[in-house]
Amino acid sequence: DTGVSQDPRHKITKRGQNVTFRCDPISEHNRLYWYRQTLGQGPEFLTYFQNEAQLEKSRLLSDRFSAERPKGSFSTLEIQRTEQGDSAMYLCASSLAADGSYEQYFGPGTRLTVT
Amino acid sequence: KNEVEQSPQNLTAQEGEFITINCSYSVGISALHWLQQHPGGGIVSLFMLSSGKKKHGRLIATINIQEKHSSLHITASHPRDSAVYICAVRSPESGGGADGLTFGKGTHLIIQP
Repeated sequence: DTGVSQDPRHKITKRGQNVTFRCDPISEHNRLYWYRQTLGQGPEFLTYFQNEAQLEKSRLLSDRFSAERPKGSFSTLEIQRTEQGDSAMYLCASSLAADGSYEQYFGPGTRLTVT
Repeated sequence: KNEVEQSPQNLTAQEGEFITINCSYSVGISALHWLQQHPGGGIVSLFMLSSGKKKHGRLIATINIQEKHSSLHITASHPRDSAVYICAVRSPESGGGADGLTFGKGTHLIIQP
């Protein structure tokens, strides 16, 4: 399967714990995006990378959130000191900007539940 | 006011009916996407539009840049079309930044046999 993959698919954690999610984009894609989706809402943009550079971060991305893409391939999203309000689906997408199409391909998401 | 508004929020129809889902946006855009999301969360891109009309099988998407409006049509609807359909725009003026997407809340479509 050469699509976008995310790990884990589900995570249940207690409030105050740290969690880390991983996203593996389509291999030749140079752009990688993180989105968050709460129940009944559309996804919201968090941040995106071009290769290893983090080019933009949303105001939604508090200091407890950090994202990395160290070698321009996979990316991690870490949430420190989780809060119940962090419970959501975290979606990753990738695109190939070089061809000008910017079409984004989405992974299956990681569903986080903070108890 | 949300930058991307969809209507209706919920739609239930009978198999075979012609379906229209609308999307209006308030910012200048470089592209508009229609996405499909099934229970469990997976999102599939259906169309990316910057002008005119696109067709893929029973799905048709149109956009009117001047009116800042797009529609997604499903012809001969089928129960397997049941899903959430989401409109998203790419705009440097919106919350998604220069390249991230700004999404509508989605339209929950149920097609009954």
